[in-house]
Amino acid sequence: EVQLVESGGGLVQPGGSLRLSCAASGFTLNNYWMHWVRQVPGKGLVWVSRINGDGSFTSYADSVKGRFTISTDNVQNTLYLQMNSLRAEDTGVYYCARSLRTAGNVLDIWGQGTMVTVSA
Amino acid sequence: QSVLTQPPSASGTPGQRVSISCSGSSSNVGSNSVNWYQQLPGTAPKLLIYINNQRPSGVPDRYSGSKSGTSASLAISGLQSEDEADYYCAAWDDSLKKLLFGGGTKLTVL
Repeated sequence: EVQLVESGGGLVQPGGSLRLSCAASGFTLNNYWMHWVRQVPGKGLVWVSRINGDGSFTSYADSVKGRFTISTDNVQNTLYLQMNSLRAEDTGVYYCARSLRTAGNVLDIWGQGTMVTVSA
Repeated sequence: QSVLTQPPSASGTPGQRVSISCSGSSSNVGSNSVNWYQQLPGTAPKLLIYINNQRPSGVPDRYSGSKSGTSASLAISGLQSEDEADYYCAAWDDSLKKLLFGGGTKLTVL
């Protein structure tokens, strides 16, 4: 079964760091674009970052550029999001999502999400 | 405020047909395909329509999508209570170089 399972969320103080993980099963990460999407509970979806299959290309939303780093470990078949210099506005549920092989911005498989709360 | 504009709410009675619009610009909807996601309460989003009008395997044909110029729409026919959810459109923006989501439309089945 194709599945994504996120972990690593939690409560962190402003200025702190957190690393989110997204374990993939049923498929090989290096064949797909992967994305992170954030959602404040009760609000809409906001795209955060994406990475291509071999990890050679990444892009970020302006709000996280320079603070967040997306990466993959193809041995562990896991996607990561390293979040540094966290701010209150980074709070939300973080979903990892896989794209279609033929359309890198079509998110066909989503994880269940992991909650990040940035608060003193 | 989202660059892709959706109505915040929509409603219909069982069996009715409802439509949800998504308005963008030449750098996003006008030049790239539109995808639609359904988010049931308390769950992760699910791909509903991709590349304007394609349905993933398992999505009923009651759901359909269309696009014209800088606008797209999602139509749901034969409305059922289980269709009550939030619906989001999405498209890549060539100028902003990011994936955009609409603000979401909450569909209520009366």
